[in-house]
Amino acid sequence: AQTVTQSQPEMSVQEAETVTLSCTYDTSESNYYLFWYKQPPSRQMILVIRQEAYKQQNATENRFSVNFQKAAKSFSLKISDSQLGDTAMYFCAFMRPSGTYKYIFGTGTRLKVLA
Amino acid sequence: EPEVTQTPSHQVTQMGQEVILRCVPISNHLYFYWYRQILGQKVEFLVSFYNNEISEKSEIFDDQFSVERPDGSNFTLKIRSTKLEDSAMYFCANPEGVGYGYTFGSGTRLTVV
Repeated sequence: AQTVTQSQPEMSVQEAETVTLSCTYDTSESNYYLFWYKQPPSRQMILVIRQEAYKQQNATENRFSVNFQKAAKSFSLKISDSQLGDTAMYFCAFMRPSGTYKYIFGTGTRLKVLA
Repeated sequence: EPEVTQTPSHQVTQMGQEVILRCVPISNHLYFYWYRQILGQKVEFLVSFYNNEISEKSEIFDDQFSVERPDGSNFTLKIRSTKLEDSAMYFCANPEGVGYGYTFGSGTRLTVV
């Protein structure tokens, strides 16, 4: 069974600085999808970025980028130029490309951006 | 942008009572999901629907839970006899396409007292 591990329960970063959130996963699949979701205090789940395992190029969305290391089964999220609005819980998620396409989530990292 | 709508946003219920949570999915999507998040913890899969049938359910989704599509479009999640440990955020979601992520509803916060 697949598992997703986020080893940093809480992190903080100064506004305008860069922070990296870690995620590792375990799977025997060769193809799959990985995601980062943001959950602000409103508790809405917001997709930040996605990565397809068969693509070696790391995904980028504006200030958000990932470092996808398939062999190491690592999928970290880098937030550049951190803003106060980035304060939230961040969840890493794994999805198989078949079956029911359900997510397996990590336990989350609570990120606080300091003014 | 298509939305997934959940009602109510917050519900308080007495232990042992039945609750019904409602979701209006994005129309014409074949896949549909319910997830649960005990406050401060991770988001957990409850059940998936494909083409109007349950396609997978987790071990959390026991006989106390049921999912229906009463009018062919909207979904309901029913908990027959609530327990204190059912207190959580409940999210419904539609996928935007295989591997493209989900559109989540804004969630229903259930508090069992």
